[in-house]
Amino acid sequence: DAGVIQSPRHEVTEMGQEVTLRCKPISGHDYLFWYRQTMMRGLELLIYFNNNVPIDDSGMPEDRFSAKMPNASFSTLKIQPSEPRDSAVYFCASSFGSRNQPQHFGDGTRLSIL
Amino acid sequence: QKEVEQNSGPLSVPEGAIASLNCTYSDRGSQSFFWYRQYSGKSPELIMFIYSNGDKEDGRFTAQLNKASQYVSLLIRDSQPSDSATYLCAVEDGNQFYFGTGTSLTVIP
Repeated sequence: DAGVIQSPRHEVTEMGQEVTLRCKPISGHDYLFWYRQTMMRGLELLIYFNNNVPIDDSGMPEDRFSAKMPNASFSTLKIQPSEPRDSAVYFCASSFGSRNQPQHFGDGTRLSIL
Repeated sequence: QKEVEQNSGPLSVPEGAIASLNCTYSDRGSQSFFWYRQYSGKSPELIMFIYSNGDKEDGRFTAQLNKASQYVSLLIRDSQPSDSATYLCAVEDGNQFYFGTGTSLTVIP
């Protein structure tokens, strides 16, 4: 069974550019989570969806960040405009049944904003 | 106060010894507790999870919950060099899912 699939694996872009990160959750999972990981702050929850509906976006740092989940098998996290402080590893994770079930992580997108 | 706190380490143990990792949490209503292992440059990988009703043992790993003192521990018996990684504790309190910043473990051959 395929795991959580994220793309791209690496992204390097200049400040001010739009960045779009993509995620395909595990088939049948109804919860999807976006995280950001940095050395300073560790793993931070940005937003999560249940059945494609955003439930809690309180972790989204600024209006420059937005996330969508148009269907059960696809989600995007967009940063526009990007800034150097957005450089981090962004993980997508999914789980089944309820929020307190184990989450399965994708391989992450390593984002560098120059 | 952070919701979940871990000693960042590094924690070093000799091969074959028991490694003990601890995590404290602030919300007494927390119901679910997770341990993830993360190798450098890789994604977090679930090791174990327990709910508030008890401890769990799985092979060389044991997760223990102390509700009165609000901490959860992970014991790794017969530590192997392949166990060298960062271990992340996560807690779900009914509203949010919080991760600690992780404890770096090094098992010395």
